[in-house]
Amino acid sequence: SQQGEEDPQALSIQEGENATMNCSYKTSINNLQWYRQNSGRGLVHLILIRSNEREKHSGRLRVTLDTSKKSSSLLITASRAADTASYFCATDRRGGTSYGKLTFGQGTILTVHP
Amino acid sequence: NAGVTQTPKFQVLKTGQSMTLQCAQDMNHNSMYWYRQDPGMGLRLIYYSASEGTTDKGEVPNGYNVSRLNKREFSLRLESAAPSQTSVYFCASSEQGSNQPQHFGDGTRLSIL
Repeated sequence: SQQGEEDPQALSIQEGENATMNCSYKTSINNLQWYRQNSGRGLVHLILIRSNEREKHSGRLRVTLDTSKKSSSLLITASRAADTASYFCATDRRGGTSYGKLTFGQGTILTVHP
Repeated sequence: NAGVTQTPKFQVLKTGQSMTLQCAQDMNHNSMYWYRQDPGMGLRLIYYSASEGTTDKGEVPNGYNVSRLNKREFSLRLESAAPSQTSVYFCASSEQGSNQPQHFGDGTRLSIL
């Protein structure tokens, strides 16, 4: 079963606008990670936020985590055409022997128009 | 610096044929993973290897076997391919333990007729 669910499934914006994607999950986690996938390529790690962190920044990326609501958001500011890709959240569940075993959401397809 | 290398990139099989997908990483990572990606379903974990000499089942292991040949290499075998195994297969690696990002190869696109 999919741990993460992402919203929206698809997002279309103009260059320069901000893009926000949301992820919800079901169980307690060690961390939540965001990945980008360009068409026909593998996933590229963007950012990891631990369960005891609430916000993290990396360049034009801002990630928030609300463990009480079991949700996270990824904000891409001042988007560029090169940001066009699919974005996935992945959770690393807490407990047992599940360390490092990620569960991925279904992804958000972002299209940035020049 | 190649990162994670998967071979082949594309393959077409007939139902019942067998095949091994190869994966190698040059980052000295202990942990390696095999995922499949189907349209609209994100990635699902097939098998993983936390360290050399160990393997364990993921979410969808049925119909697959794996071998952790050494620290660098982790192969995925389909013994008797079925059309339901048509998918894109990704290998990934990471440092061992939690709070580690995973590094992915570019995938093997497998079609089973």
